[in-house]
Amino acid sequence: GAVVSQHPSWVICKSGTSVKIECRSLDFQATTMFWYRQFPKQSLMLMATSNEGSKATYEQGVEKDKFLINHASLTLSTLTVTSAHPEDSSFYICSARDLNRGHQETQYFGPGTRLLVL
Amino acid sequence: SQKIEQNSEALNIQEGKTATLTCNYTNYSPAYLQWYRQDPGRGPVFLLLIRENEKEKRKERLKVTFDTTLKQSLFHITASQPADSATYLCALDMNNRLAFGKGNQVVVIP
Repeated sequence: GAVVSQHPSWVICKSGTSVKIECRSLDFQATTMFWYRQFPKQSLMLMATSNEGSKATYEQGVEKDKFLINHASLTLSTLTVTSAHPEDSSFYICSARDLNRGHQETQYFGPGTRLLVL
Repeated sequence: SQKIEQNSEALNIQEGKTATLTCNYTNYSPAYLQWYRQDPGRGPVFLLLIRENEKEKRKERLKVTFDTTLKQSLFHITASQPADSATYLCALDMNNRLAFGKGNQVVVIP
């Protein structure tokens, strides 16, 4: 239970293109999802909190116009990296909370999406 | 701002021994603290949560302690196995969001 999937698992794109990453909660409803970015041997950095039916809350220093987040349903949130550049290459991970399971504070993570921008 | 410190050096340990990892934080004590496991190229997997009013939590071969005076949490893996080899992340509650440490790699040697 509490499975979160991400698609695609990896993507290579040219500089200047936009990339969309999907995050789905497969067996539960997630009113809140989180998007993280992780560089090699670094900690997970929270980019934004995605709330179903409302605008995402971005962390300081994260450009909301560059990282577009849409949380259209209780099981799906998308992150679009617009006009991607090589410095956007990273490991993007989403997570979700299942308020009906265990600790409400626990986050269930997706497997991550590796983005490489050439 | 809150700083979360985990040992950057990998912990190499013999199979069957107890691995102990440390997580230190610098500022206010969080309402709870969590430990996650992360394998290379994968997302973190939740292991244990401990609240500020709890001293110790156990789950199978795992044990976590939380000392708000020392601003420290210890994570123990008893009777370690090669399958326990991974990076272990400490995460603190920060206003209902999680702030992660860089993680501490554990290598269990058969």
